[in-house]
Amino acid sequence: AQKITQTQPGMFVQEKEAVTLDCTYDTSDPSYGLFWYKQPSSGEMIFLIYQGSYDQQNATEGRYSLNFQKARKSANLVISASQLGDSAMYFCAMQTGTYKYIFGTGTRLKVLA
Amino acid sequence: NAGVMQNPRHLVRRRGQEARLRCSPMKGHSHVYWYRQLPEEGLKFMVYLQKENIIDESGMPKERFSAEFPKEGPSILRIQQVVRGDSAAYFCASSPSPSGSTDTQYFGPGTRLTVL
Repeated sequence: AQKITQTQPGMFVQEKEAVTLDCTYDTSDPSYGLFWYKQPSSGEMIFLIYQGSYDQQNATEGRYSLNFQKARKSANLVISASQLGDSAMYFCAMQTGTYKYIFGTGTRLKVLA
Repeated sequence: NAGVMQNPRHLVRRRGQEARLRCSPMKGHSHVYWYRQLPEEGLKFMVYLQKENIIDESGMPKERFSAEFPKEGPSILRIQQVVRGDSAAYFCASSPSPSGSTDTQYFGPGTRLTVL
């Protein structure tokens, strides 16, 4: 079965520190994509970062990086130098061969001043 | 460059009424996807449409829900005879091509439906 698991319902981090949000996935399809989205309190879904299953290097986008460990089937999001504006829900999603995204249940991140 | 547009942003309906949600994809995108987010949950796929075609509606409830993407105009998600359980955020996403494992779907701001 294809599944995304986010085990951290909530996380706190001090401003300017780094934080890792966990995501594990399950699929038997060798070709897949992994995505992270941010959902602030205003509700929109903001695309952050993408990792393809065949990509050799971990994806990075500014302060966001994706720690991709294929053997462990994990795709953790690392946010460096946290800012107050990073407080939001974060969703991990997987796409396997078709167009459908499968989303995890999300992690609510709170950045403390 | 306008992103994916959805309207209304908030919609309140009484039980039994109809809800009509609109989505205009990004310029150059001809593929539209609808997702539903129940409170405190992740998004769940509902339907995938191309212009004038429903490609996959496997995630859509069999009754009361319908979707269309006409040749001209926005995609419409229609919910007839709404019930309280339909209260959710409905997101539309678009992509320029059939979204395989390398294409990103871009999401609209969502429509929050509240059924009284």
